[in-house]
Amino acid sequence: DGGITQSPKYLFRKEGQNVTLSCEQNLNHDAMYWYRQDPGQGLRLIYYSQIVNDFQKGDIAEGYSVSREKKESFPLTVTSAQKNPTAFYLCASSITGNGGELFFGEGSRLTVL
Amino acid sequence: AQSVTQPDIHITVSEGASLELRCNYSYGATPYLFWYVQSPGQGLQLLLKYFSGDTLVQGIKGFEAEFKRSQSSFNLRKPSVHWSDAAEYFCAVSSTDKIIFGKGTRLHILP
Repeated sequence: DGGITQSPKYLFRKEGQNVTLSCEQNLNHDAMYWYRQDPGQGLRLIYYSQIVNDFQKGDIAEGYSVSREKKESFPLTVTSAQKNPTAFYLCASSITGNGGELFFGEGSRLTVL
Repeated sequence: AQSVTQPDIHITVSEGASLELRCNYSYGATPYLFWYVQSPGQGLQLLLKYFSGDTLVQGIKGFEAEFKRSQSSFNLRKPSVHWSDAAEYFCAVSSTDKIIFGKGTRLHILP
């Protein structure tokens, strides 16, 4: 079945550690996105990529990094520079980056201890 | 700048009652508009979308939404809610290369 797979679903991290969240899609979509979700804040865009080897900062990119070496993969690294990393992270993809419907993974919940 | 406003943070309705969730947007051109639903701890699922044409759009699970350009609104409706509709609902507007989400409305259903 086609879809988006995020892993791990739950992750615990000590302060000062970098962590990488995985996002893989087999929908053959060009565009991929990372969102952060906090209670009452909706979804805020961290990074997005419309093509392999290219990506752009979203609204809250500070403290995060991404790569897009393969069309199907868009991993997100939460660095120690991110001040409040505890959140629910959602990966999404779309056919194009312009007005396309988003398909979401089931999310990864990161907790910093 | 583009923005999406969902005025109601929480809404409670009785099972079987009708539902309307409000959404207002700010966008310079004709927008692409979406409603998504999220169950707790899950990703988002598309309910319906408006790109052009008929301003009343039908979606999955018995939902519909009406685009009103004069009011910059895209309200979501359902004639009779079911307990399984309890979830969080997000309105979204598409910009040139990204989608902007409202902060969501959490729907509670009374038995």
